[in-house]
Amino acid sequence: AQSVTQLDSHVSVSEGTPVLLRCNYSSSYSPSLFWYVQHPNKGLQLLLKYTSAATLVKGINGFEAEFKKSETSFHLTKPSAHMSDAAEYFCVVTRYNQGGKLIFGQGTELSVKP
Amino acid sequence: DAMVIQNPRYQVTQFGKPVTLSCSQTLNHNVMYWYQQKSSQAPKLLFHYYDKDFNNEADTPDNFQSRRPNTSFCFLDIRSPGLGDAAMYLCATSRARGASGELFFGEGSRLTVL
Repeated sequence: AQSVTQLDSHVSVSEGTPVLLRCNYSSSYSPSLFWYVQHPNKGLQLLLKYTSAATLVKGINGFEAEFKKSETSFHLTKPSAHMSDAAEYFCVVTRYNQGGKLIFGQGTELSVKP
Repeated sequence: DAMVIQNPRYQVTQFGKPVTLSCSQTLNHNVMYWYQQKSSQAPKLLFHYYDKDFNNEADTPDNFQSRRPNTSFCFLDIRSPGLGDAAMYLCATSRARGASGELFFGEGSRLTVL
């Protein structure tokens, strides 16, 4: 069975400092992994995805994530936080044998202080 | 340009009074999804359509129904809303079922039940 665990429910950083949002996954198969972002009262937007190609994945808005099979991790990073990055972030794995339905982590709320 | 459009963005109803939420898409995607998202929680899949093929999640209450009259439109009907149904309802589309987990979300319809 597949699952994801987001290790922090809330992360607070200062503008201009690095961002690290942690995600661990469990999968019996080679997983497809994603990060989605949700700004307040908005829908979700795909930030980036890993589908067994390069292990370092670059996404939109300067975010990137590294797939580490040995650590079963897919942490999201950004070198320098911007105020507009304040949002909820979801780590997601697809349900391999059920039509690719998404399994969401519980989310990490990112706050950015001026 | 908005590609997945949900209406209304905000809906207030009374306990037990039926509600219909609508979703339209300009992407010509085969798959459409309805998610329920309660405060500070991850989205929960209610059901999805693969073309006209309806797929209900096992734990979706009977109170929730859906219609997809054509490729572009999908409706969520809540027959007798209870206080526990207050949530954000998200519509999403994908090109094909299992299409690498990339979903395109609308901005959501927030339902308040009085």
